[in-house]
Amino acid sequence: EAQVTQNPRYLITVTGKKLTVTCSQNMNHEYMSWYRQDPGLGLRQIYYSMNVEVTDKGDVPEGYKVSRKEKRNFPLILESPSPNQTSLYFCASSFPAGVTSTDTQYFGPGTRLTVL
Amino acid sequence: AQSVTQLGSHVSVSEGALVLLRCNYSSSVPPYLFWYVQYPNQGLQLLLKYTSAATLVKGINGFEAEFKKSETSFHLTKPSAHMSDAAEYFCAVSVATDKLIFGTGTRLQVFP
Repeated sequence: EAQVTQNPRYLITVTGKKLTVTCSQNMNHEYMSWYRQDPGLGLRQIYYSMNVEVTDKGDVPEGYKVSRKEKRNFPLILESPSPNQTSLYFCASSFPAGVTSTDTQYFGPGTRLTVL
Repeated sequence: AQSVTQLGSHVSVSEGALVLLRCNYSSSVPPYLFWYVQYPNQGLQLLLKYTSAATLVKGINGFEAEFKKSETSFHLTKPSAHMSDAAEYFCAVSVATDKLIFGTGTRLQVFP
């Protein structure tokens, strides 16, 4: 089954404790992206990746890191989480990478992060 | 810069009534427009998309949207609401870039 998976689905942590949210897709998509969803703000892009070893900042990259060492994986890293990063996070992928901009993005189920 | 505005953060309709969710966009070049739906505790899934072909776009689950350039609108409609349509709906715009710009979402409630 074609899908985007995220782990964990729920995470409660404390300020400053490094964490990683994993994202994996099995559709051989080139393009992958991370969003955060906050009430009243919709989805905002954090980082995106056009292909392996190619990443770029989205609209709200501060406090986050990403890497793309393999095509299928795109982990989101919070080196020192803060309470303002409490949010619902979504990973998405599409193929090909932004060539047409009409390509459907496929979303993972989301990771609800709470930083105390 | 491109943007989308969704009018109404909450919309309530009775089962069987018309669903109308409003989306206006701002773009200096022809946009690609999307509607995504988010069911409770799930990720987003594509309902339909406009890619400069037909202005009336039909999507899944009986939804459709009409691109109106003169009104810079892309409103989502469904003739008869079903209880299973209760969800949050997002309009999004893409203009030959590598990202989607989402609206703030409209939560649809359907009453029996």
